[in-house]
Amino acid sequence: AQSVSQHNHHVILSEAASLELGCNYSYGGTVNLFWYVQYPGQHLQLLLKYFSGDPLVKGIKGFEAEFIKSKFSFNLRKPSVQWSDTAEYFCAVSPIGAAGNKLTFGGGTRVLVKP
Amino acid sequence: DGGITQSPKYLFRKEGQNVTLSCEQNLNHDAMYWYRQDPGQGLRLIYYSQIVNDFQKGDIAEGYSVSREKKESFPLTVTSAQKNPTAFYLCASSPGGARADTQYFGPGTRLTVL
Repeated sequence: AQSVSQHNHHVILSEAASLELGCNYSYGGTVNLFWYVQYPGQHLQLLLKYFSGDPLVKGIKGFEAEFIKSKFSFNLRKPSVQWSDTAEYFCAVSPIGAAGNKLTFGGGTRVLVKP
Repeated sequence: DGGITQSPKYLFRKEGQNVTLSCEQNLNHDAMYWYRQDPGQGLRLIYYSQIVNDFQKGDIAEGYSVSREKKESFPLTVTSAQKNPTAFYLCASSPGGARADTQYFGPGTRLTVL
């Protein structure tokens, strides 16, 4: 069975700092990759996704992620964070062809941006 | 407004009681999912349904049951057999079909068993 690891459970940084959240997965086949974000008191929502093509994908609110197949990684980045980026971030994978398009999530990273 | 609704937002139950969590979507999606969210563990899949009248166990189905009698509804019952039911429960839906697609999430129900 596949698994997803997010290296940092908590990240605290100041506004304008750069953010990088690590995500590694274990699965031998081809996967679709997702980053979801959960702002305080809000629904879990999609930040960005990778299905195929350019391994550098851009999402909403200035976020981007790079798929490195050889490293089984899909790290999330933002060059300059804002206080409104305070949220919990989840990486998820879905093996291509898996029944039901099931997602396996990482444990999440709580990000606190200090004003 | 299109979306996924879950009710209630907060639910309290006594130990030993079954409880049913509601999930409704008006997105005309074929597939629906139930996840459980616990601190530090991310989301774990309980059950999923790709089509009406069909559903499959996820990774942590023990102590839970579901039904899918209508396309728009996918209720989850937390039974007394679930050893640690206190958690945040999220319902999701996706268009379904053979191609992978984004899952859209509801606001969640926080269940506390006393």
